[in-house]
Amino acid sequence: KNEVEQSPQNLTAQEEEFITINCSYSVGISALHWLQQHPGGGIVSLFMLSSGKKKHGRLIATINIQEKHSSLHITASHPRDSAVYICAVSGNQFYFGTGTSLTVIP
Amino acid sequence: KAGVTQTPRYLIKTRGQQVTLSCSPISGHRSVSWYQQTPGQGLQFLFEYFSETQRNKGNFPGRFSGRQFSNSRSEMNVSTLELGDSALYLCASSLGTGMAQETQYFGPGTRLLVL
Repeated sequence: KNEVEQSPQNLTAQEEEFITINCSYSVGISALHWLQQHPGGGIVSLFMLSSGKKKHGRLIATINIQEKHSSLHITASHPRDSAVYICAVSGNQFYFGTGTSLTVIP
Repeated sequence: KAGVTQTPRYLIKTRGQQVTLSCSPISGHRSVSWYQQTPGQGLQFLFEYFSETQRNKGNFPGRFSGRQFSNSRSEMNVSTLELGDSALYLCASSLGTGMAQETQYFGPGTRLLVL
């Protein structure tokens, strides 16, 4: 049983395309996190949200608590956005999605 | 401010041995969490420490243990290593008011290979 489901697993986009990654969860949470992992392993936290919407540069994250669903949007994608994006939910512990591998082609 | 540091970065051990990994959090951060990442299982939560006390725990066997010191530095220990323990072990720190609602700052990880 996966507490966090992400889609798609893999995504290839042309530069400047609008990208959406989806995350659904089945447990009660205190917050939802979007993480970015580049080759080599380093993980960066992009967003932490418990309601509504957050925006940072070209990245937008939304969450619908009633539907237990979140989306990460990347506007005007760029090759440097190529990475694995991981959705995680936190309560008494962390549950992670399996990640979405994004490749942006120039 | 220096980021989260982990030592060693790479480690090779044999089955049955034990290993200790170290994590130094960002200055001022009091919470340290540990995670295991494998190709098959992805990222999994091991445990969280705050003020030298384990505050939350994931679903790992007792061979996995940790501790936190008064300066917030943390260590995790894996005893009786198995091949399946080969993984990237990540730690993350946060201010400490509550792991569930805090941004996590991740270290570079320790890559452990068990032969």
